[in-house]
Amino acid sequence: SYVLTQPPSVSVAPGKTARITCGGNNIGSKSVHWYQQKPGQAPVLVIYYDSDRPSGIPERFSGSNSGNTATLTISRVEAGDEADYYCQVWDSSSDHQVFGGGTKLTVL
Amino acid sequence: EVQLVESGGGLVQPGGSLRLSCAASGFTVSSNYMSWVRQAPGKGLEWVSVIYSGGSTYYADSVKGRFTISRDNSKNTLYLQMNSLRAEDTAVYYCARDFTHGRYFDLWGRGTLVTVSS
Repeated sequence: SYVLTQPPSVSVAPGKTARITCGGNNIGSKSVHWYQQKPGQAPVLVIYYDSDRPSGIPERFSGSNSGNTATLTISRVEAGDEADYYCQVWDSSSDHQVFGGGTKLTVL
Repeated sequence: EVQLVESGGGLVQPGGSLRLSCAASGFTVSSNYMSWVRQAPGKGLEWVSVIYSGGSTYYADSVKGRFTISRDNSKNTLYLQMNSLRAEDTAVYYCARDFTHGRYFDLWGRGTLVTVSS
């Protein structure tokens, strides 16, 4: 089955740029989607199709995907961005959805 | 308003059964792909099952043969029948709309907690 690998944690100072990676075999050939989850809340889609933002998501959130790594970038990080972030792809070979293990973003 | 509301969670003994419901409003369940996703306490998201608009169903290996996803078109409601429950099935269960053409989850419910314990 397809595996997505994320770093368990990323820390960043307010106003700086946070980058959260999602590794997978030839992930650049797949569409990657990203979710933000705050404590006690359901996940929220923040990036779809590698780099598209749903309405209501700040432009500070962006994404890229190439080779074996997809990246979620959060510019000018704010305290309110502190959350868990998950990447997700659909594995067509198994018809299963796959999530990464999640990354806890800490704003220092 | 477009929303999903789960219900049916609770405490169940190992080996027991439970049926979760997910009532949709503002859109038609049967015209969409619909999934269940769970999250064990302090853990990450785990996809559980999907039902396609055509009725095909797929399951994670961890629940295959024990869980059954279904829908009632007249009630616009999604279900998850869970049998032979184990301690490791303890989690918050979310229903989510699995956007057909993009295969991402664009709408989530608030979740319902299932606890499997004696």
